[in-house]
Amino acid sequence: QVQLVESGGGVVQPGGSLRLSCAASGFSFSGYAMHWVRQAPGKGLEWLAVISTHDGSRKHYAESVEGRITISRDNSENTLFVHLNRLTVEDTAVYYCAKEGEGDHWSAFDYWGQGTLVTVSS
Amino acid sequence: QSALTQPASVSGSPGQSITISCTGTSSDVGGYNYVSWYQQHPGKVPKLIIYDVTNRPSGVSDRFSGSKSGYTASLTISGLQAEDEADYYCSSYTSSSTFVFGTGTKVTVL
Repeated sequence: QVQLVESGGGVVQPGGSLRLSCAASGFSFSGYAMHWVRQAPGKGLEWLAVISTHDGSRKHYAESVEGRITISRDNSENTLFVHLNRLTVEDTAVYYCAKEGEGDHWSAFDYWGQGTLVTVSS
Repeated sequence: QSALTQPASVSGSPGQSITISCTGTSSDVGGYNYVSWYQQHPGKVPKLIIYDVTNRPSGVSDRFSGSKSGYTASLTISGLQAEDEADYYCSSYTSSSTFVFGTGTKVTVL
């Protein structure tokens, strides 16, 4: 079965950076686009980034984090990454990785990890 | 990219039907049939319940249905049950090859 397991969360100082990982299993990882989504405490979902299949040559980012975020993937390790720098308290959130659905076009997130909490605090 | 607009809350009695709207623009909801809906119970992970406007993933109850007209997509829950009490979010693909979520709707079963 599809499994996505995020790691790397914790407490980070303002101005610092985070690097999160998402270990994937149960599906052909290289053949699917992957996403990062976050949810601040008590708030709604915010889409952050997508990376295309295979070589990950296509990457797109939310305007709210563009310039501070990088998404990447290692298909040999079935792992998705996100790097976010110049952190502020507004980046405090649960960060989820999500798998793109089965269609030919990017359209939905059919499996989600359990999330990893990042707290930005001094 | 502004969040799609959803009502903050919707409520209904068991057995009733409710509809949640999701309004965007020509650059997202109005321009593509790539609207999806997610159910999130408190403290839980979001779950996909509708994709490509009207399609249900395997295992999702047929009490959930989706539609779209112009810039507004809708999720209807028929035969409302206590277990449907949750937060619901819409999402749409955009003209920038990104995605945007709705503001979220809290469904209360009276």
